[in-house]
Amino acid sequence: DIVLTQSPGTLSLSPGERATLSCRASQSVRNNFLAWYQQKPGQAPRLLISGASNRASGIPDRFSGSGSGTDFTLTISRLEPEDFAVFFCQQYGDTPFTFGPGTKVDI
Amino acid sequence: QLQESGPGLVKPSETLSLTCTVSGASISSVPYYWGWVRQPPGEGLEWLGSIYHSGTTFYTPSLKSRLNISVDTSKNQFSLQLKSVTAADTALYSCARHRMSLRSPFDPWGQGIFVTVSS
Repeated sequence: DIVLTQSPGTLSLSPGERATLSCRASQSVRNNFLAWYQQKPGQAPRLLISGASNRASGIPDRFSGSGSGTDFTLTISRLEPEDFAVFFCQQYGDTPFTFGPGTKVDI
Repeated sequence: QLQESGPGLVKPSETLSLTCTVSGASISSVPYYWGWVRQPPGEGLEWLGSIYHSGTTFYTPSLKSRLNISVDTSKNQFSLQLKSVTAADTALYSCARHRMSLRSPFDPWGQGIFVTVSS
């Protein structure tokens, strides 16, 4: 199984700041099939990024994804108050599909 | 939209059964896979398995012997059955649609249903 490790576990920032979240895979992710999701308390996860760098429909352009192989990054260029949440990555290139443990972005 | 339903409490050794009702699209007419994911309290997300409307299924190996995912196109639903549950199966269970093929991200997700395994 591909193990995904996310860092940091918690990121404490202020609105307007830049957030950089890391997702590292234990082996290369096939076709860079790496997704990022945002989850707020009591809500279903929301897809932000697929294919490592493709923003999902309706996602603001302050969210961007980059990376390939085993190292991936989610960047939020300027944090808005509504961005504070848990973010997790998922690889969907090989079964079993696996998720990272998440990074909490809080104020 | 996807909506999970089922009992919130299951006894150890019994079978956990959940249903996901899909609205806004017909399972049998769209070329998507549909999946189940769970998250135990304080732990990460775990993909359980996915199904196509034809009935083709893929399961996570660690649960394959206890897990069955089925689809009922007449009701526009797909279901999960997990046999011989233990406290370790206590989790928030969510259904989700693969964006396209099996190897695609989940979008959208249901709200999830929390299932406790306890006597």
